[in-house]
Amino acid sequence: DTGVSQNPRHKITKRGQNVTFRCDPISEHNRLYWYRQTLGQGPEFLTYFQNEAQLEKSRLLSDRFSAERPKGSFSTLEIQRTEQGDSAMYLCASSLGWDGRNYGYTFGSGTRLTVV
Amino acid sequence: SQELEQSPQSLIVQEGKNLTINCTSSKTLYGLYWYKQKYGEGLIFLMMLQKGGEEKSHEKITAKLDEKKQQSSLHITASQPSHAGIYLCGAPNTGTASKLTFGTGTRLQVTL
Repeated sequence: DTGVSQNPRHKITKRGQNVTFRCDPISEHNRLYWYRQTLGQGPEFLTYFQNEAQLEKSRLLSDRFSAERPKGSFSTLEIQRTEQGDSAMYLCASSLGWDGRNYGYTFGSGTRLTVV
Repeated sequence: SQELEQSPQSLIVQEGKNLTINCTSSKTLYGLYWYKQKYGEGLIFLMMLQKGGEEKSHEKITAKLDEKKQQSSLHITASQPSHAGIYLCGAPNTGTASKLTFGTGTRLQVTL
């Protein structure tokens, strides 16, 4: 297993365009998380899936953002009508969770989005 | 909501010196994760602490969790240039350990 994989690594887009990022978690992990990180800050939670169910969404996730995890495997994060304030690093993490515990909380290398 | 405060915000140490980074939570800690991040890259897992008083070591890095003080510390012995980067602490918000709340990070530079 090669860990958590994110694509693309970098994305430059014009304001108003839609973008989609992909995350492939560690295969045996049932939980998948999306975070956003801006310069000089720690990652901020966006949303979380357990298998294919989206169990929690942050207030940071405006209606322009949507995330899916069909079949409980890979996940996509789409941003519609991008704004300059969306420029950030988008990080995906996965873990194996049961009995109220999390194991192997592993992050991908992130997708850096620049909106021009 | 839970907040994690890291200190110091940045640190410059000479190679070979020891250093400590602290992470203090505004709420009860249900465990604590430490990660390292190189600029522009993803987070690399260092250690997870689950119980009060727990201490873990990996190579020259040791982390401790003090549940009563709602605090964790990360200690690096005999620092090397390879230790340079941003150190982040993250804590699960509840006992079910879903999302993590992160501190703002400590930027470490190691000079020769």
